Amino acid sequence: QVQLVQSGAEVKKPGSSVKVACKASGGSFTNSVFSWVRQAPGQGLEWMGSITPIFGTANYAQKFQDTVTFTADESTTTVYLEVRSLRSDDTAVYYCAKVGADGEWKFEYWGQGTLVTVSS
Amino acid sequence: QSVLTQPPSVSGTPGQRVTISCSGSSSTVGSNPVNWYQQLPGAAPKLLIYTNSLRPSGVPDRFSGSTSGTSASLAISGLQSEDEADYYCAAWADSLNGVVFGGGTRLTVL
Repeated sequence: QVQLVQSGAEVKKPGSSVKVACKASGGSFTNSVFSWVRQAPGQGLEWMGSITPIFGTANYAQKFQDTVTFTADESTTTVYLEVRSLRSDDTAVYYCAKVGADGEWKFEYWGQGTLVTVSS
Repeated sequence: QSVLTQPPSVSGTPGQRVTISCSGSSSTVGSNPVNWYQQLPGAAPKLLIYTNSLRPSGVPDRFSGSTSGTSASLAISGLQSEDEADYYCAAWADSLNGVVFGGGTRLTVL
């Protein structure tokens, strides 16, 4: 069974960076696509983009293109989200999700979420 | 403003049937499969319906999905208290080259 386990909550200062980890187990890692979705407090879900480890390529939502980087480490089956130049409105729960293999962009499995709080 | 439009809230009594709409466009719902997610309070989202109307293993058949043109709907029959949650539709947006979510609908079981 696929499991996604994310790193713990973070508190960061405005202008700093944060790196969130998502370790995948079960199923294929290299041939999978992973997405990151964020949820600001009391708000809805927002897709940030995706990464395909086998190609090492990432696709970012336009809003996040300049401040976000996705990476993947095949040796530890872990995908990472780095957010730079943090602002208070980046305070959110960040989820990783594994995309279904049929190419229809369904998020079959989700991590438990990582709360990132940006505060001075 | 979300690309996919959902009502902010719906409510029903136990045993009732409720529907949640999701309105998109020709570049989203009109041309790509719609998926629905259920998010219980304090939990991560869970895939509820995929490819417009299919249920993952373990999802009760009280939940059903459908599409028509540029709109999609999620129906929940035999409403139960444990169905109280936020529900989100999502689809690929050709014009944005990415996934878009609806704003979410909070279901209250009275």
